[in-house]
Amino acid sequence: EAGVAQSPRYKIIEKRQSVAFWCNPISGHATLYWYQQILGQGPKLLIQFQNNGVVDDSQLPKDRFSAERLKGVDSTLKIQPAKLEDSAVYLCASSLDTGGPDTQYFGPGTRLTVL
Amino acid sequence: SQQGEEDPQALSIQEGENATMNCSYKTSINNLQWYRQNSGRGLVHLILIRSNEREKHSGRLRVTLDTSKKSSSLLITASRAADTASYFCATYWNQGGKLIFGQGTELSVKP
Repeated sequence: EAGVAQSPRYKIIEKRQSVAFWCNPISGHATLYWYQQILGQGPKLLIQFQNNGVVDDSQLPKDRFSAERLKGVDSTLKIQPAKLEDSAVYLCASSLDTGGPDTQYFGPGTRLTVL
Repeated sequence: SQQGEEDPQALSIQEGENATMNCSYKTSINNLQWYRQNSGRGLVHLILIRSNEREKHSGRLRVTLDTSKKSSSLLITASRAADTASYFCATYWNQGGKLIFGQGTELSVKP
């Protein structure tokens, strides 16, 4: 079974530029998550989708971050404009359930550096 | 916040020794999960223990949960150099409907 795919793996941008990350979850997984992991910290949930609907985006900085999951499969996370403090690893995860307490499977992440 | 807090922040042991990591949290939970993260990689799920369970085993891993003390521990027996990684506990509570990760314990196993 293929795992969660993410691209790109690394991205370096200047502050105020925009950037987009892509995630392809495990086939058949209803729930998709985007996490932000700052160096030395645990992942923090940014947004959770169930199929193509948003379940939780309470910690998403909506003035600059946006995410979508068209057709309930792939998802993109965008930052516009980027700030220095956005430097982090952005992890995508998926789970089979409908948002309940089940195992989440994580992708390798995208390491973003904002200069 | 019900974010888990892990102790110690860093642990260095010799190959063959046991490693114990602890996690404390603040509110009632549905389950608690442990994840491992190798340098430069995503997180890998290790084990899930539900709130009505007290102990769970998986290979060389042993997890305990004490809901009265709001704490959990992860024991890795007979550690190997390949166990070198960061270990995170994550709590799931029904009200929030999401997984909250702790800060992690950085484990170094020296050959």
